[in-house]
Amino acid sequence: GAGVSQTPSNKVTEKGKYVELRCDPISGHTALYWYRQSLGQGPEFLIYFQGTGAADDSGLPNDRFFAVRPEGSVSTLKIQRTERGDSAVYLCASCLGGSGGYNEQFFGPGTRLTVL
Amino acid sequence: ILNVEQSPQSLHVQEGDSTNFTCSFPSSNFYALHWYRWETAKSPEALFVMTLNGDEKKKGRISATLNTKEGYSYLYIKGSQPEDSATYLCAFNNAGNMLTFGGGTRLMVKP
Repeated sequence: GAGVSQTPSNKVTEKGKYVELRCDPISGHTALYWYRQSLGQGPEFLIYFQGTGAADDSGLPNDRFFAVRPEGSVSTLKIQRTERGDSAVYLCASCLGGSGGYNEQFFGPGTRLTVL
Repeated sequence: ILNVEQSPQSLHVQEGDSTNFTCSFPSSNFYALHWYRWETAKSPEALFVMTLNGDEKKKGRISATLNTKEGYSYLYIKGSQPEDSATYLCAFNNAGNMLTFGGGTRLMVKP
């Protein structure tokens, strides 16, 4: 009964570099979410997948951010031309079924991204 | 933009004290209110999913109440223990698929 896993746990990169963050959801969970927690704030929604498709990407801050989930399981969040303001903890969550409203979202431990 | 607020931002209590904190959220288009407990370097852990006005849920020494008409939820911890030290997050859902989180209450329990 593995939970949601995220790799790497920590990532330090330089301004302008490209990074990929990976999320392995709980097996059988069709819904997958990415959130970002900046220092001193609560997690903020980035994108939601239902199966392979991005059902809602309204939280992505700009076009440097992109996420994929090609087989409806593992998801990768990609950040191009990283900026210092991208430094945050990136959380992934998965959920059984189509709506996270009533259903519990199960979170991974997050990836702490630091952009120098 | 949905406004979900938590107070206080941080709280220091002695072991054995009981404590409570507040989450306020929009009272319109309510769907569900989630409480999470997040310890450093671990995954946020779900405590409660609350959906009905007047709901009261309990898990061990932790309980929560919900008032959807006025838009608030209280989380109570009875007889705090050092292992209760964590950040407690509430998250509001208004029938969309994402959760809108408050800023969290950081609880520190001194032995």
